[in-house]
Amino acid sequence: EDQVTQSPEALRLQEGESSSLNCSYTVSGLRGLFWYRQDPGKGPEFLFTLYSAGEEKEKERLKATLTKKESFLHITAPKPEDSATYLCAVQAWGGAGTASKLTFGTGTRLQVTL
Amino acid sequence: GAGVSQSPSNKVTEKGKDVELRCDPISGHTALYWYRQRLGQGLEFLIYFQGNSAPDKSGLPSDRFSAERTGESVSTLTIQRTQQEDSAVYLCASSSPLNRAGAGLETQYFGPGTRLLVL
Repeated sequence: EDQVTQSPEALRLQEGESSSLNCSYTVSGLRGLFWYRQDPGKGPEFLFTLYSAGEEKEKERLKATLTKKESFLHITAPKPEDSATYLCAVQAWGGAGTASKLTFGTGTRLQVTL
Repeated sequence: GAGVSQSPSNKVTEKGKDVELRCDPISGHTALYWYRQRLGQGLEFLIYFQGNSAPDKSGLPSDRFSAERTGESVSTLTIQRTQQEDSAVYLCASSSPLNRAGAGLETQYFGPGTRLLVL
């Protein structure tokens, strides 16, 4: 069974204080690892997809990296508007007709203060 | 439309009543998914539709849950005889098998969710 564990559960940073969020996963065969951002009362918003170990993607102050066992979401010089819950999910390879469902972690709640 | 839409945004019902939730996927997306998000928990897969193929219902928690989709358009998730443990946010997502620049193959785009409270 595919599993995703995110840490820490919650993180409080001051504006400008860089940090990293961790996503550890076990999956039968990784098709893709996804990062989403979720604001209170809203649906998850897509950020990145990573497909293979060593891959990196960047968007503004965020950079996602991938190894064979985990992914990191690095936040450089965060701003208060980066406050949200960050969700990690994996998608496994399956046979024809197998659902491309995502298996999600429980998320990291990030709060960035002035 | 520009994104996935869901209705109603909020639903309060009494235990034992049936509820119907609606999802409008992004135009042209052939795949549609339903997930459930309970308070403090990760999103749980419920059901998946891909074009005209038989849906994958492997995530439905009980036979009180069912979903339909006509072609590649609207989907409805029905919960019969609701229980208090059904209280959650129900999220719909859609994806396209086409490789779109910057998004990656089969990226799932989520709607805002329906917040269901069963009293």
